[in-house]
Amino acid sequence: TQLLEQSPQFLSIQEGENLTVYCNSSSVFSSLQWYRQEPGEGPVLLVTVVTGGEVKKLKRLTFQFGDARKDSSLHITAAQPGDTGLYLCAAALDGSNYQLIWGAGTKLIIKP
Amino acid sequence: KAGVTQTPRYLIKTRGQQVTLSCSPISGHRSVSWYQQTPGQGLQFLFEYFSETQRNKGNFPGRFSGRQFSNSRSEMNVSTLELGDSALYLCASSWTDGNYGYTFGSGTRLTVV
Repeated sequence: TQLLEQSPQFLSIQEGENLTVYCNSSSVFSSLQWYRQEPGEGPVLLVTVVTGGEVKKLKRLTFQFGDARKDSSLHITAAQPGDTGLYLCAAALDGSNYQLIWGAGTKLIIKP
Repeated sequence: KAGVTQTPRYLIKTRGQQVTLSCSPISGHRSVSWYQQTPGQGLQFLFEYFSETQRNKGNFPGRFSGRQFSNSRSEMNVSTLELGDSALYLCASSWTDGNYGYTFGSGTRLTVV
């Protein structure tokens, strides 16, 4: 059974601080995606990474896919209250029509 | 460009009843997936449809079923509702598969009493 471990499960920090969220597995994936979800809404896709070692930036968010395509990280610089939400990683299994495996999520709270 | 539309947004049903939820994907998207989300279990995959065929299925009992129509719209049905079926049901669509990400709807909040 493929598992996607996300850490930390919960993070509460002050506005302006930096943070990193991790997503790890023992399996190799064809792609890895990061989503942010706000209460009562569906997840919103932030980024998809497909190449080992790939780094993508989205304003203050930096996403990295591990060289071996087994792990990923999301780094937020100078966090703002608007970054508050549930961050989910999802990895696509090679073959099997790229069915997604989901992490349990990181609940992030940024205090003003 | 319209997003993924799910109806209804909220639903309250009694234990033992059945319910049908609807999802209209983004125009041109042929893959539709359904998920159940609860605080304790996170996001759980129900099933995926592509061109009217169920392509993948999660580990849910047979009370959960779905279908996809020729216009890619999809419905999911839950029969003999149980209290534990209370959850946010999410629909997600993509062009062909999940390799590059999904667009999610806002979900249907189902409460079983």
